[in-house]
Amino acid sequence: DTGVSQDPRHKITKRGQNVTFRCDPISEHNRLYWYRQTLGQGPEFLTYFQNEAQLEKSRLLSDRFSAERPKGSFSTLEIQRTEQGDSAMYLCASSLVGQGARDTEAFFGQGTRLTVV
Amino acid sequence: AQTVTQSQPEMSVQEAETVTLSCTYDTSESNYYLFWYKQPPSRQMILVIRQEAYKQQNATENRFSVNFQKAAKSFSLKISDSQLGDTAMYFCAFSYNTDKLIFGTGTRLQVFP
Repeated sequence: DTGVSQDPRHKITKRGQNVTFRCDPISEHNRLYWYRQTLGQGPEFLTYFQNEAQLEKSRLLSDRFSAERPKGSFSTLEIQRTEQGDSAMYLCASSLVGQGARDTEAFFGQGTRLTVV
Repeated sequence: AQTVTQSQPEMSVQEAETVTLSCTYDTSESNYYLFWYKQPPSRQMILVIRQEAYKQQNATENRFSVNFQKAAKSFSLKISDSQLGDTAMYFCAFSYNTDKLIFGTGTRLQVFP
């Protein structure tokens, strides 16, 4: 396993366009998290999944944002009608929780850098 | 609500020397986890060290150790024998019950030869 994979690594889009990012977690991990990181700040939590169930969404996640994790495998994060304020690094992380073995820490992908022009 | 504060935006240290990064947090929970993550330039975030709040013993991982003061809600990271490869952003993070991570704003560490 090569770790958490995110695609694309970079995305430049015009304001008002829709964008979709993909995250492939470590294969046996049941938890998947999305974070947003703006320049000079720490990552901020957006949402997370336990298998295919979306368990929590941050207030940062406006109606223009939607995330899915069909079949509990990869996840997608879609932003509709992008705004310049959406420009950020979008990080995905995965972990294994509550499977009888020791819970693992969150492993992060390299992120997708979104620039809205 | 839980918060994490890192009051040192930037730090620098000479190679082979020791540096300590500070972190304070606020929570009403009694059982939680604290982490230090490292984010090298243009590279992914990796875990440096983790501390479970119910453990009194400070965690250590090779050259990295923490000073966990639960009553003071303080969680500092000490890097001994600093190496050039330690140059990175360091984030302190809090997690309640293996839940989402709450990060501080980070400390940029520069190691000079």
